[in-house]
Amino acid sequence: DAKTTQPNSMESNEEEPVHLPCNHSTISGTDYIHWYRQLPSQGPEYVIHGLTSNVNNRMASLAIAEDRKSSTLILHRATLRDAAVYYCILNYGGATNKLIFGTGTLLAVQP
Amino acid sequence: GAVVSQHPSWVICKSGTSVKIECRSLDFQATTMFWYRQFPKQSLMLMATSNEGSKATYEQGVEKDKFLINHASLTLSTLTVTSAHPEDSSFYICSAMSFSGNSPLHFGNGTRLTVT
Repeated sequence: DAKTTQPNSMESNEEEPVHLPCNHSTISGTDYIHWYRQLPSQGPEYVIHGLTSNVNNRMASLAIAEDRKSSTLILHRATLRDAAVYYCILNYGGATNKLIFGTGTLLAVQP
Repeated sequence: GAVVSQHPSWVICKSGTSVKIECRSLDFQATTMFWYRQFPKQSLMLMATSNEGSKATYEQGVEKDKFLINHASLTLSTLTVTSAHPEDSSFYICSAMSFSGNSPLHFGNGTRLTVT
């Protein structure tokens, strides 16, 4: 399975944008980039995913580099409820959705 | 949206006893479910892939006789921790997918197991 590298932690101020980076230099052509987040004592929550093009949904935006070796999750206006561990995961574009979690980025949001 | 319900949310048991954790997909059929374990301040570790009507596939290092998985229907998978020991105390999380091919996974809210 291709690996991802994320910063261990980041800080943001409330109502400011947050850019969470992820490196995946060994990504293959069929690997989708998934982002999940986990609040304390809860199961992970799906945020967004994409293959090549940038993606937007109500929660966030995903910017994918042209060579696909990195991506950035963008939270447009951080709130206190966005404080969580964010996981960037590569998922092989096949029939299985087996997700292998890395260490993720712990996002702290300051009021 | 798709909901995965996990029960119980927490359980305390004595060493040597067995504990069953249920994972249900409430509004969709899940041919495949996944079981994870998470220790404090660590990431999720995939334990096994549960396929409806067939034997589960365990990740390397996970004892299949200790962590029994049954996926008897398209909406229910169970994980039984047999002969639990204190080192089995952990946060167990299930997930399910409604469609194949890179659809998002839906996660339960986890079960906190404490073995005394």
